[in-house]
Amino acid sequence: DAKTTQPTSMDCAEGRAANLPCNHSTISGNEYVYWYRQIHSQGPQYIIHGLKNNETNEMASLIITEDRKSSTLILPHATLRDTAVYYCIVRRRQGAQKLVFGQGTRLTINP
Amino acid sequence: DTGVSQNPRHKITKRGQNVTFRCDPISEHNRLYWYRQTLGQGPEFLTYFQNEAQLEKSRLLSDRFSAERPKGSFSTLEIQRTEQGDSAMYLCASSFGTSGSDEQFFGPGTRLTVL
Repeated sequence: DAKTTQPTSMDCAEGRAANLPCNHSTISGNEYVYWYRQIHSQGPQYIIHGLKNNETNEMASLIITEDRKSSTLILPHATLRDTAVYYCIVRRRQGAQKLVFGQGTRLTINP
Repeated sequence: DTGVSQNPRHKITKRGQNVTFRCDPISEHNRLYWYRQTLGQGPEFLTYFQNEAQLEKSRLLSDRFSAERPKGSFSTLEIQRTEQGDSAMYLCASSFGTSGSDEQFFGPGTRLTVL
C-alpha cells in the first residue's frame, strides 16, 4: 500500500471548516483514499473514501487532486466533538485489506 | 446497540500471566480483524479472519499470541506469558465483505496493562 504523509497536528476554530491535507504521491491506479478518525479512548471511525472523484457524505467531503497524489478532508462546520486524530489511508478496495495506519493528524477544535 | 463489542474493556495483569480478550462483531459481518495500538501510535494490524478461517497474520503476532473465531462468529485473542511490552489497546474490527465494499467498523478496544 502507498505511504501517506499528514501534518502532525492542526487547530481549527469551532464553526469553521477544518481542512486536513494528505499526501500520497505513490498511490497506484487501483488504490482508494480512506479517512478514519479516532476520538480519545475510542476505536477508529470510518469517515469517507474515494478513488478520483470528489466525495461527500453526512460527515465530510473528500477532495482528491486530479493527479491523485494528494487529498483534503473537509469538515464543513467543525464542532468540539470533531477533536480527534484523523488518519489518511491508501488501500485497494477489492477484497479484504488490512488498514495501515500512520501517525495521523491530531485535530483540535477550539471554542 | 448493534456495533462491535469487546470485552473486557480494561485488563490489568502481572507479567507471565495469560489473558484472553473477546470480540463480538456486527452480526452479519463475515470479516474480522484484530489490531494493536500503543500509546501515541496508530493501530497496527495483527490478524484477519474471513468467517472461521484465519487468512493473514502479521509478524507482530508472536507465538505467544493466538486468535480464534469458532463458527465464524465471535473471536478471541489470547496472549500467553504476557510481557510488559504487550501493554497496549487491542482493537477489533469487522466488515461485510462484498465484491467491492470492506469498510471496517471498530469496537471500543480492550486496554491491557501488564505490570
